[in-house]
Amino acid sequence: GENVEQHPSTLSVQEGDSAVIKCTYSDSASNYFPWYKQELGKGPQLIIDIRSNVGEKKDQRIAVTLNKTAKHFSLHITETQPEDSAVYFCAAQSGGSYIPTFGRGTSLIVHP
Amino acid sequence: DTAVSQTPKYLVTQMGNDKSIKCEQNLGHDTMYWYKQDSKKFLKIMFSYNNKELIINETVPNRFSPKSPDKAHLNLHINSLELGDSAVYFCASSQETLEGYTFGSGTRLTVV
Repeated sequence: GENVEQHPSTLSVQEGDSAVIKCTYSDSASNYFPWYKQELGKGPQLIIDIRSNVGEKKDQRIAVTLNKTAKHFSLHITETQPEDSAVYFCAAQSGGSYIPTFGRGTSLIVHP
Repeated sequence: DTAVSQTPKYLVTQMGNDKSIKCEQNLGHDTMYWYKQDSKKFLKIMFSYNNKELIINETVPNRFSPKSPDKAHLNLHINSLELGDSAVYFCASSQETLEGYTFGSGTRLTVV
């Protein structure tokens, strides 16, 4: 089955800095890669996703890159703000699977 | 206009009791899920229903029984609660299997 590794488990940055969270996956058939943000006391929220037919996708201050050859994908947050503080989850899913495999999460702390 | 709503938000109960968690989505999605999030934030799939049909049942004890009266509702009933059942339970829905999820805000279950 699919295995998703996510690093780092904790990331602490100063407001205005960039933050990068990296994930690797094992199943070369995976073709859908969503990212979720979970704020304290809330459910995970889809913030961006990418499919295997593109290498990069951007939405304002967040971007995701995908390297299919190396089987890794990353979330980039620029100009971080305190409200970006949350736990971020990556996931990978293939067309043959009903459900994605989640990474174990990264706790991002943005210091004002 | 909550998209995926769960009730109750908090549930404190004694060992051995039976309890239910309700979930409703107003997005018109065909697929619904139950996830368990442990104290380390790991998201573990429990069940998935597609148009009221069970499609995923991931090695969950028989004490857990999902019920989907229609495609907008997926309830979770738990018999003979144990200390290890303490966790946050999330309901989620998606339109297609290779689409992002919309999660509910979670039910924090504490078994004492």
